[in-house]
Amino acid sequence: DGGITQSPKYLFRKEGQNVTLSCEQNLNHDAMYWYRQDPGQGLRLIYYSQIVNDFQKGDIAEGYSVSREKKESFPLTVTSAQKNPTAFYLCASRTRGGRIEETQYFGPGTRLLVL
Amino acid sequence: KQEVTQIPAALSVPEGENLVLNCSFTDSAIYNLQWFRQDPGKGLTSLLLIQSSQREQTSGRLNASLDKSSGRSTLYIAASQPGDSATYLCAVFSGYSTLTFGKGTMLLVSP
Repeated sequence: DGGITQSPKYLFRKEGQNVTLSCEQNLNHDAMYWYRQDPGQGLRLIYYSQIVNDFQKGDIAEGYSVSREKKESFPLTVTSAQKNPTAFYLCASRTRGGRIEETQYFGPGTRLLVL
Repeated sequence: KQEVTQIPAALSVPEGENLVLNCSFTDSAIYNLQWFRQDPGKGLTSLLLIQSSQREQTSGRLNASLDKSSGRSTLYIAASQPGDSATYLCAVFSGYSTLTFGKGTMLLVSP
């Protein structure tokens, strides 16, 4: 089945620790996105990538880093510089340069909790 | 900067009622507007996508309208069911390959 997978479903971070969230897609999409969702809030864009080896900061990139070495994968690292990392993280993908009516497809999400 | 507002923040209705969710956006220069559904602890599922040139889209009991000039969209749910209980998110695509989301409306349909 085609789709987006995120792992793990739950992730626990200790003080001062970097953690990496995985996002993989087999939809052959060029563009991939990372969003953060806090309770009662909409989604806020962290980073996005429109092509391999290229990515741009979103609205709340501070304390996060990404890489895009393969088309299928877009891992997100939450660094120790992110002081309030507890949130629900969603990954999405979309056909770059596709028709305007192409939607973003979302993964099931990873919930990050601080110990 | 584009801002998206959804009203109400929460809504509770008895089964069978017709209901309307509202979405407004500040910059009318959009390519399209989407309505998503999110179940607790889950990802987003696209419900309807309306192009800027369209006035409405329908899927089953769902109907979404768009008034681009006034910066408004509504999602109409007919004959609501308990399975419709979820958070509904509105998002606009203004270019630059990113979506701007509202905070959502949490809907509870009671049997």
